[in-house]
Amino acid sequence: QVQLVQSGAEVKKPGASVKISCKASGYTFSNYAIHWVRQAPGQRLEWMGCIKVGNGDTQYSEHFQDRVTIIRDTSASTAYMELSSLRSEDTAVYYCVRGNGPGSWLFDNWGQGSLVTVSS
Amino acid sequence: DFVMTQSPDSLAVSLGERATINCKSSQSLLSSSNNKNYLAWFQQKPGQPPKVLISWASTRESGVPDRFSGSGSGTDFTLTISSLQAEDVADYYCQQYHSSPITFGQGTRLEIK
Repeated sequence: QVQLVQSGAEVKKPGASVKISCKASGYTFSNYAIHWVRQAPGQRLEWMGCIKVGNGDTQYSEHFQDRVTIIRDTSASTAYMELSSLRSEDTAVYYCVRGNGPGSWLFDNWGQGSLVTVSS
Repeated sequence: DFVMTQSPDSLAVSLGERATINCKSSQSLLSSSNNKNYLAWFQQKPGQPPKVLISWASTRESGVPDRFSGSGSGTDFTLTISSLQAEDVADYYCQQYHSSPITFGQGTRLEIK
């Protein structure tokens, strides 16, 4: 079955960067997009960006344009999201989500989430 | 950005009764090229990631009970649970995937009365 397994919780200081991994299994990794969505306490879900795994093309939300980088390693069936210049407002659960096609924005399977805490 | 606004923010319904959640988009989600509405509904239970219930405004995902249904077009959409079950207690979110950035409603918390 389709599974997205994310890396564990992180605690970071303001100004630092965090890199979260998302390992896919149960399907052909290159045939589907991977999106990143975060959920801060008491806030609505927020889309950060996505990668077309097949060709590596990325699209980012302008709200994170300068701070987020999404890459993939097809040999490891793993996608990564790095967020830089962290601030307290970035404390959230970060999810990777599969799009149901190569460039699809329609979500199907979600990772379990990775809690990132930003605190001095 | 497409702003998604849900109503109500919270809802308490008796077991077996109907629950209705509304979602309004600031712009139309109907594509003229394929006549589809780019609107999805998600259910999120505590400590779990969201789970997709409905896509294209009214297409129920595989395995989703038929008591869940979606309707609407353009800017106004509804998620209906025809007969509330205890396991339906959760937060519900609408999402538009018509235009970047993908955006979500603020969520509706559904509880048992």
